[in-house]
Amino acid sequence: GAGVSQSPRYKVAKRGQDVALRCDPISGHVSLFWYQQALGQGPEFLTYFQNEAQLDKSGLPSDRFFAERPEGSVSTLKIQRTQQEDSAVYLCASSSSAGGRYNEQFFGPGTRLTVL
Amino acid sequence: AQRVTQPEKLLSVFKGAPVELKCNYSYSGSPELFWYVQYSRQRLQLLLRHISRESIKGFTADLNKGETSFHLKKPFAQEEDSAMYYCAAYSGGSNYKLTFGKGTLLTVNP
Repeated sequence: GAGVSQSPRYKVAKRGQDVALRCDPISGHVSLFWYQQALGQGPEFLTYFQNEAQLDKSGLPSDRFFAERPEGSVSTLKIQRTQQEDSAVYLCASSSSAGGRYNEQFFGPGTRLTVL
Repeated sequence: AQRVTQPEKLLSVFKGAPVELKCNYSYSGSPELFWYVQYSRQRLQLLLRHISRESIKGFTADLNKGETSFHLKKPFAQEEDSAMYYCAAYSGGSNYKLTFGKGTLLTVNP
């Protein structure tokens, strides 16, 4: 079956623009995660959804970052007034159970955001 | 602070040589540790987890609580093992917040 998909795969934004990144998790997966991966770094946790509920958003870097998953499937990560430091690969992952600790997190291919 | 440390950014070995990718953690409680791998132009995927004590593609990793380490080992490296490897852990109290190390790029030369 299809894995986690993300769109767009690449996004170039001018500083100050708003962007929206989409994640389609594996069908039926309860848990959805967003990560930010800066160049030369490992992925860093941004936020976690269990179905449509956002249970943890402690990793979001600022109030310019907003994530939603209104129907418990597709999720959107929105970044308002983008800054150069937002340039990174944004990864989405999903897992079949609540949390990801006892079941594998499956990752998408990522969206590479470049802010000029 | 809870942390996963991979001291080597780059590791280069010859085909057939043993390889060890180092990972140290600083967590209270009982962390659960994982190795993820990313091959060139592919997505990040789980390689193995300490709780299952399995060997995947010839790789093993043993949790050493005394040394707070979870090093990844393979006795005979293959060229297809060339990839980026990330060590990761769930902290004791969380079942969803995965913390990654910075990664080690392994190159296996012919």
